Amino acid sequence: GENVEQHPSTLSVQEGDSAVIKCTYSDSASNYFPWYKQELGKRPQLIIDIRSNVGEKKDQRIAVTLNKTAKHFSLHITETQPEDSAVYFCAASIPGFGNEKLTFGTGTRLTIIP
Amino acid sequence: DTGVSQNPRHKITKRGQNVTFRCDPISEHNRLYWYRQTLGQGPEFLTYFQNEAQLEKSRLLSDRFSAERPKGSFSTLEIQRTEQGDSAMYLCASSLARVEGYTFGSGTRLTVV
Repeated sequence: GENVEQHPSTLSVQEGDSAVIKCTYSDSASNYFPWYKQELGKRPQLIIDIRSNVGEKKDQRIAVTLNKTAKHFSLHITETQPEDSAVYFCAASIPGFGNEKLTFGTGTRLTIIP
Repeated sequence: DTGVSQNPRHKITKRGQNVTFRCDPISEHNRLYWYRQTLGQGPEFLTYFQNEAQLEKSRLLSDRFSAERPKGSFSTLEIQRTEQGDSAMYLCASSLARVEGYTFGSGTRLTVV
């Protein structure tokens, strides 16, 4: 099955600086890669996703890049703000009937230092 | 309510007891997923439904676990003879098509004492 590794497990950055979180996946058939943000005690919320036919996607201060050859993808947050503090999870999905699920990484706790 | 609703929010039970959780997905979503999340970990897939059909079950879902979605709307997850290792957050999610566009519920936190 798919295996997703995520690094770092914790990350602290000064407010206004950029944060980068990296994930690798094992199955080259994976073709959908979402990122979720989970604040303490709250539900995971989808913040951005990318499909394998695209190398980069941006939405305001967040962007995701995908390198299919190397089987890794990254989340980039620019101009970080205190409300960006949360746990971020990457995930990967392999398409196909009967195999519709997300495999999540172990999460990155991001702390923005004011 | 346009979100995914889960009840109860918290459940404390004694080891060996049975528990049942309910998930009400977004009404037009035909796919419903159950995940389990333990402290410091990402959600782990348990099972999913397309309409009323249960299409996949994880090996994590032992024979003590059963999930149903009888009318293709709400779903229930039952755990029989609970064990301390079952303590976790049980998350439900729904989507309109495949895994894309998942919306998670707030979860049911189970504590087995």
